[in-house]
Amino acid sequence: DAGVTQSPTHLIKTRGQHVTLRCSPISGHKSVSWYQQVLGQGPQFIFQYYEKEERGRGNFPDRFSARQFPNYSSELNVNALLLGDSALYLCASSDLIGRLRDPYEQYFGPGTRLTVT
Amino acid sequence: AQRVTQPEKLLSVFKGAPVELKCNYSYSGSPELFWYVQYSRQRLQLLLRHISRESIKGFTADLNKGETSFHLKKPFAQEEDSAMYYCALTNTGNQFYFGTGTSLTVIP
Repeated sequence: DAGVTQSPTHLIKTRGQHVTLRCSPISGHKSVSWYQQVLGQGPQFIFQYYEKEERGRGNFPDRFSARQFPNYSSELNVNALLLGDSALYLCASSDLIGRLRDPYEQYFGPGTRLTVT
Repeated sequence: AQRVTQPEKLLSVFKGAPVELKCNYSYSGSPELFWYVQYSRQRLQLLLRHISRESIKGFTADLNKGETSFHLKKPFAQEEDSAMYYCALTNTGNQFYFGTGTSLTVIP
């Protein structure tokens, strides 16, 4: 298993545009979380999805939305991009049911670096 | 409001010296506390979780509910410990809060 994968690796967008980021969880993981990491800061929680249902939402505007597909992959969408949306977007998967020793352990992907100009 | 504070952005210690990375939190309830680590050019990964009370790579962390702290400690730092360390907490596993991170450099 390649672990959590994210695409694209990098992308550059212009203010006002829309962007879609993608994440594939570890095989067997049904939960996906999204984080925004601005340079010099820690990851900031955006969303968590489990079995296609939103389980948690951070303090982000409605321009941010996400969904999870039947195969447990996920998309993060950001509309009307602002310069301040420039960040590394991380996806993490976990097994909330608890087959693992630690059901709260999150496995992170490499991230998507978004630059808004 | 939930908050995780890591007061040191940068920390340098000599190899073989003790190291302590500080973490304080504010949360109304009984959170679960974690330390995550990111080595150079690697992904963010879980180092340890307070409830497991394990020692991972020589690191330990004790949850002090009275002082609302969860400091990470290692008695003898190694060069391979140089990395970015993040303290994090969650309530039910649905939402995680991370600190701003501490960059640890172990000087040979």
